[in-house]
Amino acid sequence: GENVEQHPSTLSVQEGDSAVIKCTYSDSASNYFPWYKQELGKGPQLIIDIRSNVGEKKDQRIAVTLNKTAKHFSLHITETQPEDSAVYFCAASIDTNAGKSTFGDGTTLTVKP
Amino acid sequence: DAGITQSPRHKVTETGTPVTLRCHQTENHRYMYWYRQDPGHGLRLIHYSYGVKDTDKGEVSDGYSVSRSKTEDFLLTLESATSSQTSVYFCAISVTAYGYTFGSGTRLTVV
Repeated sequence: GENVEQHPSTLSVQEGDSAVIKCTYSDSASNYFPWYKQELGKGPQLIIDIRSNVGEKKDQRIAVTLNKTAKHFSLHITETQPEDSAVYFCAASIDTNAGKSTFGDGTTLTVKP
Repeated sequence: DAGITQSPRHKVTETGTPVTLRCHQTENHRYMYWYRQDPGHGLRLIHYSYGVKDTDKGEVSDGYSVSRSKTEDFLLTLESATSSQTSVYFCAISVTAYGYTFGSGTRLTVV
C-alpha cells in the first residue's frame, strides 16, 4: 500500500519568515495530494490540495508544489503569522479508490512572534 | 465542523466492553471514513463507506466494525475494547473523494 513520509516533525520559525514542509509518497498511482491544518483540540481542516496534472498551486500565502517523477510534494507558507502555528498533515490518495487517503505523521509548526 | 458531528466527544470505558461511536452528517455526502490519531502515527484509516451498506476495511481495521444504514450516519463499534484502542477517533466525509471535512473527534480512553 501507499506510504507517506513527512519532514520535519517539528519546525520553529520567526514571524514573517517562510516555512517549508516536505512529503514523499511511494505509490506512483497516487494522483491527489491534500494538506490539512489541525489546531489544538480540533479536527484537521483542508487548506490546499493539488492533483497530479498540476505542478504548483497557490492560495494567498500558501503554495504547494508536486514533483511526480521524484514522488514528492511540499507545502510552502510565506510571511508566517502566529496563527499559522498548528500541526500540518500531508496526504496522498488515488481518486478512483474511494478517496482513501494515506497521511504523513504530521509537522508541528510554531511561529514565534 | 459544519455539517458533521461526532458523539460522544469524550468517553472512558473499561477493557472488554463494547463501544459505539457515532458520526452524523447533514451534507448528504457519499463517502464517510473513520480514522484514528495517535502520537507519532498521524491519521490511520480504520474503515470507510462509499454508500449505504457499502463499507470496507482500512489499514487498522482489526477489532473494529462499522455500519451505515442511512446516508447520514456512520457508526464505529469496538467489539471488545482494549487499551491499545485508546485514541482520538475522527470521522470524515467527502462528496467527490477529493478532500475531507473532518469532525471534531472523539477522545476514547480504555482503562
